[in-house]
Amino acid sequence: GAVVSQHPSRVICKSGTSVKIECRSLDFQATTMFWYRQFPKKSLMLMATSNEGSKATYEQGVEKDKFLINHASLTLSTLTVTSAHPEDSSFYICSAKDFANTGELFFGEGSRLTVL
Amino acid sequence: AQSVAQPEDQVNVAEGNPLTVKCTYSVSGNPYLFWYVQYPNRGLQFLLKYITGDNLVKGSYGFEAEFNKSQTSFHLKKPSALVSDSALYFCAVSHTWAGGGADGLTFGKGTHLIIQP
Repeated sequence: GAVVSQHPSRVICKSGTSVKIECRSLDFQATTMFWYRQFPKKSLMLMATSNEGSKATYEQGVEKDKFLINHASLTLSTLTVTSAHPEDSSFYICSAKDFANTGELFFGEGSRLTVL
Repeated sequence: AQSVAQPEDQVNVAEGNPLTVKCTYSVSGNPYLFWYVQYPNRGLQFLLKYITGDNLVKGSYGFEAEFNKSQTSFHLKKPSALVSDSALYFCAVSHTWAGGGADGLTFGKGTHLIIQP
């Protein structure tokens, strides 16, 4: 199947700093990507839909100024957690839609953010 | 609004026995249903999906799931469990199907499957 890569897989940062997480579709073009957040022992929560060349669509309750999403190319979406706080610590997972072929959703390996 | 319920936090099964992980859903319109597996600190791996057609769907690693419209269920099954099947399993639903695929999925809370040797 297609591969979606997330980087970094783990990041530790100080409170107040910003952290960028990248999601890349390695062997297909993804006009649509999705960002999820997973709390410990909890399900995945859809944060936003990232569309190439346009603004992201955020789910209700997700602060768009806090979680900046940029989908500047057909193979890359980035999630920037701005002015991070300890409560932003979580496992963030992206998925990409392979529109041109099967339309399948492929998930990245996830990025664990720890804010001290 | 769409939702998914996985009523069991954990399912324990002896190796070699059949396993079932339960999932019920609520969605307006046609449901598009998925099962994913997650190993510790990893992303999600696709197991199988139901879009239309045959109610019994066969997927990866010997897993299958049965779509039951009247009971709004999509339980995951395997005839003979392996210790390596131990992981966190998520059921997911989407009410949209565009470009040949689902849009953002709504996930259940997950079920820990523990296979005992």
